[in-house]
Amino acid sequence: EAGVAQSPRYKIIEKRQSVAFWCNPISGHATLYWYQQILGQGPKLLIQFQNNGVVDDSQLPKDRFSAERLKGVDSTLKIQPAKLEDSAVYLCASSLYRGGSYEQYFGPGTRLTVT
Amino acid sequence: AQTVTQSQPEMSVQEAETVTLSCTYDTSESDYYLFWYKQPPSRQMILVIRQEAYKQQNATENRFSVNFQKAAKSFSLKISDSQLGDAAMYFCAYLNTNAGKSTFGDGTTLTVKP
Repeated sequence: EAGVAQSPRYKIIEKRQSVAFWCNPISGHATLYWYQQILGQGPKLLIQFQNNGVVDDSQLPKDRFSAERLKGVDSTLKIQPAKLEDSAVYLCASSLYRGGSYEQYFGPGTRLTVT
Repeated sequence: AQTVTQSQPEMSVQEAETVTLSCTYDTSESDYYLFWYKQPPSRQMILVIRQEAYKQQNATENRFSVNFQKAAKSFSLKISDSQLGDAAMYFCAYLNTNAGKSTFGDGTTLTVKP
């Protein structure tokens, strides 16, 4: 079974530029999560999708961050414009949610450096 | 809002010894899951162990076991016979099964000394 795929793995941009991250969850997983993990901290949930609907985006800075999940499968997370404090690893995770074990399967993450 | 607190930023253990990582959480929900995830340096986060809140019996997975105290809202992880490969950051996580909302602690970095 293929795992959660993310790209790119690394990205360096200057502040005020824009960037997009892509995530392909495990096939059949209805729930998709995007997390921001700042060095030395735990993952902070940015947005959660159930199929292609948003369940929770209360911690997403909506003035600069946006996310979508087309057709309930792949998802993209965009930052525009980026700030220095956006430097972090962006993790995507998916799970079966109901009917499953609720375990989240994580991708390798995208390490973003904003200079 | 649910919160998860890991009060030990760093822990160390001698190889083959036992170590316990602490986690407390705050919730008003009755239906939830608790997890311990492991994140090795520069590697993906993986599940170590899972506990359903409605189960009184503590979960066990080989050398890993938990001490789940629901009334105290405590969920500690015990690693027995520690191995060098156990060195990683460990995260305690809470999941509300009604909405699937997930909250992580800030992690404990475990060092295993040979």
